[in-house]
Amino acid sequence: KQEVTQIPAALSVPEGENLVLNCSFTDSAIYNLQWFRQDPGKGLTSLLLIQSSQREQTSGRLNASLDKSSGRSTLYIAASQPGDSATYLCAAYTNAGKSTFGDGTTLTVKP
Amino acid sequence: KAGVTQTPRYLIKTRGQQVTLSCSPISGHRSVSWYQQTPGQGLQFLFEYFSETQRNKGNFPGRFSGRQFSNSRSEMNVSTLELGDSALYLCASSLIPTGPTDTQYFGPGTRLTVL
Repeated sequence: KQEVTQIPAALSVPEGENLVLNCSFTDSAIYNLQWFRQDPGKGLTSLLLIQSSQREQTSGRLNASLDKSSGRSTLYIAASQPGDSATYLCAAYTNAGKSTFGDGTTLTVKP
Repeated sequence: KAGVTQTPRYLIKTRGQQVTLSCSPISGHRSVSWYQQTPGQGLQFLFEYFSETQRNKGNFPGRFSGRQFSNSRSEMNVSTLELGDSALYLCASSLIPTGPTDTQYFGPGTRLTVL
């Protein structure tokens, strides 16, 4: 059974700081890993999708990496801004479309 | 292009009742997945529908069921509601069943409270 863990559960940083969010998964037989952002009381917004054959993906100030052999993914946020404050979830997608989500990291960026 | 819409946005029911939630995917998307999100269990996969057929199912009791219509709209039904069913129910759509390159687009969710 796939298990996804995100550390830390919460993170508070000053504006402008670079930061890393961690995601680990137990079953390396994934075909992609996705990072999402969730604002309070709202749905999820897809940030980055890394296919199992890829090592990383970049979008603007965001960079996500994937290491299947160690069962880890990281989301790097450069030059954080108050608008980045949200909960970030990673999800491992395995065969036939089943997905397992982590509990998320709640990020607060202070002005 | 309009996003994923879910109705109703908020719902209050009592134990023992049943409830039906609706999801309209992004135009052209044929796959719809449902998730339950609670503070204790996090976000858990319920089921996925494609072309009116259930393609995958998570580990939920038979009280949770769903269906998809020919226009790709989907409904989720929960019978004999329990207090523990109180949650945010999220719907997500994608062009085709989730695969290596397919991003899911989520709706805003339906907040269900069971009293």
